[in-house]
Amino acid sequence: AQSVTQPDIHITVSEGASLELRCNYSYGATPYLFWYVQSPGQGLQLLLKYFSGDTLVQGIKGFEAEFKRSQSSFNLRKPSVHWSDAAEYFCAVGEGKLTFGTGTRLTIIP
Amino acid sequence: DAGVIQSPRHEVTEMGQEVTLRCKPISGHNSLFWYRQTMMRGLELLIYFNNNVPIDDSGMPEDRFSAKMPNASFSTLKIQPSEPRDSAVYFCASTTGWRGVSYNEQFFGPGTRLTVL
Repeated sequence: AQSVTQPDIHITVSEGASLELRCNYSYGATPYLFWYVQSPGQGLQLLLKYFSGDTLVQGIKGFEAEFKRSQSSFNLRKPSVHWSDAAEYFCAVGEGKLTFGTGTRLTIIP
Repeated sequence: DAGVIQSPRHEVTEMGQEVTLRCKPISGHNSLFWYRQTMMRGLELLIYFNNNVPIDDSGMPEDRFSAKMPNASFSTLKIQPSEPRDSAVYFCASTTGWRGVSYNEQFFGPGTRLTVL
C-alpha cells in the first residue's frame, strides 16, 4: 500500500530564510510524487511533480524538490521564503489515485 | 477557464438531514475525484470517476454516502442521513486520465465546508 509521511506538523521560518519540508513515501513501484500547497480557505494547487528523469525538479513560485530513491524522500525546498508562502503544504504519491501526507503548516515570521 | 466549481461553499445542517454537494469539473477533464479533509484524518480520497463511471469507491465511509456522475460536467456527493462526524471540508478535483490513472495535475475546487449539528 502506498503511504506518505510528513514528519513536521508545523514549521516557522523568518522571511528571507531558506526552507526545507520533509516528505517520505512508501510505494511499490516507481513513485509518482507531487507537492501541493493549500492557502487558507482554498483548494490545493500543484507546486511540482516528479515522474522520472532528473531527480531535482523545479516548480512554481520558486520551489524545487529532490527525489532520493535511497532515502524514499521527496523534500521540498525554497532558498528564500516570502510572507506569501505561508500556507499548508502536502506531499502526495500515486498515479491518479493519490495518497496525501498529513501536511506541514508553514508560518512566516516578518 | 473557470476551474473546478463546487457548490455550496458552506453548508450547515442538522443531524439526520440529507446533504447534497455538487461539482462541475473543468471542461475536457475525464477524471473526477471527491476528497474529504478533516483535522483528525487529513485529506482522504472518497471516490473517483473516469468517463463518468465510478472506478474506486473504497474510500466511501459507509452506505450513508453516495456519489453520482450523470454526465461529464456534473457530479454529486450525497450524505443521507448526515451525522456530526461528517463535518469536514469536501473537495472535488478533476484531471485527464484513464480509469483513474493519471500523471497530470489534479485541479481542485475551493471545497464545501460542511457542518452537521
